Amino acid sequence: GENVEQHPSTLSVQEGDSAVIKCTYSDSASNYFPWYKQELGKGPQLIIDIRSNVGEKKDQRIAVTLNKTAKHFSLHITETQPEDSAVYFCAASLNDYKLSFGAGTTVTVRA
Amino acid sequence: ETGVTQTPRHLVMGMTNKKSLKCEQHLGHNAMYWYKQSAKKPLELMFVYSLEERVENNSVPSRFSPECPNSSHLFLHLHTLQPEDSALYLCASSQDQNQGSSPLHFGNGTRLTVT
Repeated sequence: GENVEQHPSTLSVQEGDSAVIKCTYSDSASNYFPWYKQELGKGPQLIIDIRSNVGEKKDQRIAVTLNKTAKHFSLHITETQPEDSAVYFCAASLNDYKLSFGAGTTVTVRA
Repeated sequence: ETGVTQTPRHLVMGMTNKKSLKCEQHLGHNAMYWYKQSAKKPLELMFVYSLEERVENNSVPSRFSPECPNSSHLFLHLHTLQPEDSALYLCASSQDQNQGSSPLHFGNGTRLTVT
């Protein structure tokens, strides 16, 4: 099955700086890559996703990039704010079925 | 306000107890899921139901028994659990079981502690 590795496991950034989380996947046939944000005491929530026919996608302060050749994709958060503090999970899907998740990155934004 | 509601939020049970976790979704979705979330580990898919039929049982021990009486409700019946089963149990739903085209909507989870 698909194996997704996520780095770093923890990330501390100064408010206003950028944060980058990287994930690698094992199966080159994977074609769907969502990112979920989990705030304390809540379930994960989809924040952005990308498909294998697109190299980059942006939504306000967040963006995701995909490198199919290298089999990795990254989440970029610009101008970080305290409310960006959360656990972020990447995931990959093979043929649009059954997501495989990374182990998560705990992001702390320092005021 | 989440469209997926889980109860209870917290549960402490002994290894000989029997308890149930409940999940209800108000989104009109056709697929429902149970995930196990342990610290510093990827989310583990346990069960998948599509239109009230179980379509996936991800090698889960029989001490976990799911039930889906209708497309809006999902239960996880627990009996003779082990301390290593302590975790956050998340319920999710999606329009259909194709998780690539219909994103998952998660509940806030039940924090289970087995003593």
